[in-house]
Amino acid sequence: DSGVTQTPKHLITATGQRVTLRCSPRSGDLSVYWYQQSLDQGLQFLIQYYNGEERAKGNILERFSAQQFPDLHSELNLSSLELGDSALYFCASSVGDSRGEAFFGQGTRLTVV
Amino acid sequence: AQSVTQLGSHVSVSEGALVLLRCNYSSSVPPYLFWYVQYPNQGLQLLLKYTSAATLVKGINGFEAEFKKSETSFHLTKPSAHMSDAAEYFCAVIPSNDYKLSFGAGTTVTVRA
Repeated sequence: DSGVTQTPKHLITATGQRVTLRCSPRSGDLSVYWYQQSLDQGLQFLIQYYNGEERAKGNILERFSAQQFPDLHSELNLSSLELGDSALYFCASSVGDSRGEAFFGQGTRLTVV
Repeated sequence: AQSVTQLGSHVSVSEGALVLLRCNYSSSVPPYLFWYVQYPNQGLQLLLKYTSAATLVKGINGFEAEFKKSETSFHLTKPSAHMSDAAEYFCAVIPSNDYKLSFGAGTTVTVRA
């Protein structure tokens, strides 16, 4: 158990809908990272937050947004969902700016139908 | 921009045999390099990391990797495979002046009894 908690574990929704994925980082970790894992794109970095502020942005679509709250949990919002958004979404956390080293949650599997 | 190439999407080894997973990277600045492992239905777990100290890096579960700047490589090895090593392995790179981690496509390891 990495100590990073993601909910829900599975999510099935229809195209055009909006969903929110939630992540609770390890106790004491200030950074939260979001990754997308799909068969065609592989593992892609989406975005990083550090202590509530956006730190780095990767290949995140404009339809996607994230935030980190004062209690350090984070949410990834996906809107106007398309079939191609079906993927495993991972959250990871680290104490500071880990530059690559982080603890991963078990992921949320999103299926868009 | 940085990138990672993992040679071989699947590797099959006999129990007790050498495990060798190949990774080549490109980065315009000195990189930090990582190997992560993903067991079925799990998140990623850090095996080892290179951050400009010793070029031979030892990780968990008997794995090690050697950073070779002249070859832009960071191959992962384990002298003797165990059944529990069956998993998917990801090489990743982050430039030392950036926050965006880039993953390779992954190599799935199967271990034959």
